[in-house]
Amino acid sequence: QQPVQSPQAVILREGEDAVINCSSSKALYSVHWYRQKHGEAPVFLMILLKGGEQKGHEKISASFNEKKQQSSLYLTASQLSYSGTYFCGTEIQGAQKLVFGQGTRLTINP
Amino acid sequence: DAMVIQNPRYQVTQFGKPVTLSCSQTLNHNVMYWYQQKSSQAPKLLFHYYDKDFNNEADTPDNFQSRRPNTSFCFLDIRSPGLGDAAMYLCATSRDPVYEQYFGPGTRLTVT
Repeated sequence: QQPVQSPQAVILREGEDAVINCSSSKALYSVHWYRQKHGEAPVFLMILLKGGEQKGHEKISASFNEKKQQSSLYLTASQLSYSGTYFCGTEIQGAQKLVFGQGTRLTINP
Repeated sequence: DAMVIQNPRYQVTQFGKPVTLSCSQTLNHNVMYWYQQKSSQAPKLLFHYYDKDFNNEADTPDNFQSRRPNTSFCFLDIRSPGLGDAAMYLCATSRDPVYEQYFGPGTRLTVT
């Protein structure tokens, strides 16, 4: 039931773009994205809801393909502060809870 | 600022000695979650409260219990900690299950 994230790790130079994917075998109601820096708590980035509604508050975009049960997080012109581990959390309709993927570690170098 | 607070930040306990971790929130959110996170792993949901309704995950050991005496506070009790229970314990809140979750800073539990 745990969603699968890819890639597991990415190393970029500052200013480069990154795409992180999240895939589920179950029909999804929503996909959440969080970023966690080492030794800190996860921080909310974005929610994508079935039906196309999207909620977020950072300069990050994402997509949700309901038919394929897949979501992608797009980080453009990456900054050093984007470094961390990105988790997708998927919600199955009616479950009222998230199951997190295994995480994608993103390293941004100067 | 409204926030999620966890105490203590670091807890060392002995094998088999009961321990209680606390979480409080000033967000007035309906849902409170407890997650266990081990090194380099995803947060794993232990249980959550939706208002007073308690929802236990099927694979959460009986050794783990929780209490939510009011909207603001939630406790995680580990009755007989084992070495495998050493982890970061994260509390999170949300207005509703479909909304974003706000995480506390976590309690790092060490079992000796």
